[in-house]
Amino acid sequence: GQQVMQIPQYQHVQEGEDFTTYCNSSTTLSNIQWYKQRPGGHPVFLIQLVKSGEVKKQKRLTFQFGEAKKNSSLHITATQTTDVGTYFCAADSNYQLIWGAGTKLIIKP
Amino acid sequence: GAVVSQHPSWVICKSGTSVKIECRSLDFQATTMFWYRQFPKQSLMLMATSNEGSKATYEQGVEKDKFLINHASLTLSTLTVTSAHPEDSSFYICSAIQGELPHSPLHFGNGTRLTVT
Repeated sequence: GQQVMQIPQYQHVQEGEDFTTYCNSSTTLSNIQWYKQRPGGHPVFLIQLVKSGEVKKQKRLTFQFGEAKKNSSLHITATQTTDVGTYFCAADSNYQLIWGAGTKLIIKP
Repeated sequence: GAVVSQHPSWVICKSGTSVKIECRSLDFQATTMFWYRQFPKQSLMLMATSNEGSKATYEQGVEKDKFLINHASLTLSTLTVTSAHPEDSSFYICSAIQGELPHSPLHFGNGTRLTVT
């Protein structure tokens, strides 16, 4: 079945550094959604991308959907402690969401 | 808006007993509810999809007789873990959708941490 590969599994950054997570699929995606899960919490919807080449911003977060609609990225500029958590991408496949493995953002003390 | 309430937040039960987890959409009618299981440091694993008034659709490898799902109304779905065993210990999360995939996001409950002793 369809898979969504998400990398890296972890990213350690100093507060103030940038963070990026990537999702890739071998097949064309109809759309892609991004979620954030804080430690001990539940996933919270961040955004949905639908159009080829789409770029959306939410404050320090920038979401991109590739031209071929096979990849997507989430970039956080100047990370803050409130950004800590695991970021998941999820793509539709026959009206089900296929989840990436998640990228855990860890702020170095 | 789009609040999903899940209860209980955590439960400890003895091996062989059953546990019921409730998932309610508080301010919207959920056309579909999804039940996930999440192991530590792992992604979400879809267990089943339920629609109000119909039988749940279970994912491959998920025992429907062990994980009973009832979707009694557009705002309530329950998951019952029957004859629980220690290997059933996990984090169970429900989610609800107001519209339908692929265009609508999932709204998640807070999750239930189940520990079977």
